[in-house]
Amino acid sequence: AQSVAQPEDQVNVAEGNPLTVKCTYSVSGNPYLFWYVQYPNRGLQFLLKYITGDNLVKGSYGFEAEFNKSQTSFHLKKPSALVSDSALYFCAVRGLNFGNEKLTFGTGTRLTIIP
Amino acid sequence: GAVVSQHPSRVICKSGTSVKIECRSLDFQATTMFWYRQFPKQSLMLMATSNEGSKATYEQGVEKDKFLINHASLTLSTLTVTSAHPEDSSFYICSAPSGINEQFFGPGTRLTVL
Repeated sequence: AQSVAQPEDQVNVAEGNPLTVKCTYSVSGNPYLFWYVQYPNRGLQFLLKYITGDNLVKGSYGFEAEFNKSQTSFHLKKPSALVSDSALYFCAVRGLNFGNEKLTFGTGTRLTIIP
Repeated sequence: GAVVSQHPSRVICKSGTSVKIECRSLDFQATTMFWYRQFPKQSLMLMATSNEGSKATYEQGVEKDKFLINHASLTLSTLTVTSAHPEDSSFYICSAPSGINEQFFGPGTRLTVL
């Protein structure tokens, strides 16, 4: 079975500082990894994904994530936080089996950027 | 990117009534769609996989007679919450995969059962 852990329920960062939202995963074989962002009463918006290739993945709104196979991690990062980055962030994983498109989500991390 | 819509965005109903939520893929076809439920301050829990032309696949613990899913066409899946009760109040989100790498999510439907 696949699983995702987001160890921090809440992350507070001062505006302009770098931010990191942590994610670790467990899956059989190589993973597909995703980050999504959710604003209040809205659906999920795709930020970025790792399928294969470079371990550092760049996504929307200046976010990036680094795939670390040995640590089974996929932490989300941004060099300089904006107040508008405040939202709920979800990490998700799925296996590579074709036809198995189920995503497993972490519990989410609420990111608050302090002006 | 691909667009998924949901209707209605918000619904309030009386206990005992049934509510239908529609999920549409607007610019692509989806033989599979997923229905999630999200409780306040919690993650998305997959309820079921909707399959066009066949029965939905429900996750363990989800009552299939309570949450009826119909995937009538390659662009439409519906979730009907039958005989709704206050504990069914939640945020329901659908998604549809496009290709093998991504899922696109609808904006969600807030259900409140009085």
